[in-house]
Amino acid sequence: AQSVTQLGSHVSVSEGALVLLRCNYSSSVPPYLFWYVQYPNQGLQLLLKYTSAATLVKGINGFEAEFKKSETSFHLTKPSAHMSDAAEYFCAVSPTTDSWGKLQFGAGTQVVVTP
Amino acid sequence: DAGVTQSPTHLIKTRGQQVTLRCSPKSGHDTVSWYQQALGQGPQFIFQYYEEEERQRGNFPDRFSGHQFPNYSSELNVNALLLGDSALYLCASSLGLQGTEAFFGQGTRLTVV
Repeated sequence: AQSVTQLGSHVSVSEGALVLLRCNYSSSVPPYLFWYVQYPNQGLQLLLKYTSAATLVKGINGFEAEFKKSETSFHLTKPSAHMSDAAEYFCAVSPTTDSWGKLQFGAGTQVVVTP
Repeated sequence: DAGVTQSPTHLIKTRGQQVTLRCSPKSGHDTVSWYQQALGQGPQFIFQYYEEEERQRGNFPDRFSGHQFPNYSSELNVNALLLGDSALYLCASSLGLQGTEAFFGQGTRLTVV
């Protein structure tokens, strides 16, 4: 069985400050891990993915995430928040033996960016 | 490239009715997955179709059924609607069953009254 826990349902950051969103996973096999972003009334857009290559993964819009097996974590960061980063962010896991189409999502973290 | 398209965008149904949602995958993709996203929650996997067959299924009752057509488009059917079925229904497409990225549509907002 696999699951994802996102710590903090809401995060407020100042424009220009560090964005840090936390994700911990549990999986019986080495997983694939993903971060998705969802803007209001829209579907999900892939930010980045970990597929057992480099542990530090760079994605779109300046985001990156680091896979730490010892901590079973895949936290998402961005050095400097922009107003356009206000959205909901989802961490997701998929076992490597299955299609990436079957994803287990966390509950999401709503990011608010203040001027 | 039109990406993943879903129709309709919004829908209001009455308890006990039946509903059909539609999805056209991204060009070149042959696998379609459906998710239910209740308000304030993450998406929950319903099922996945490949080669016109249901390949994987999440923890959803038999009231939820689907179909995939030869052109890879897909339908999600929900019978005997309950108030709790109100949610955003997301379709995702990918290529094959192994190791490809899933692209999501904008979803269909279903409200059951």
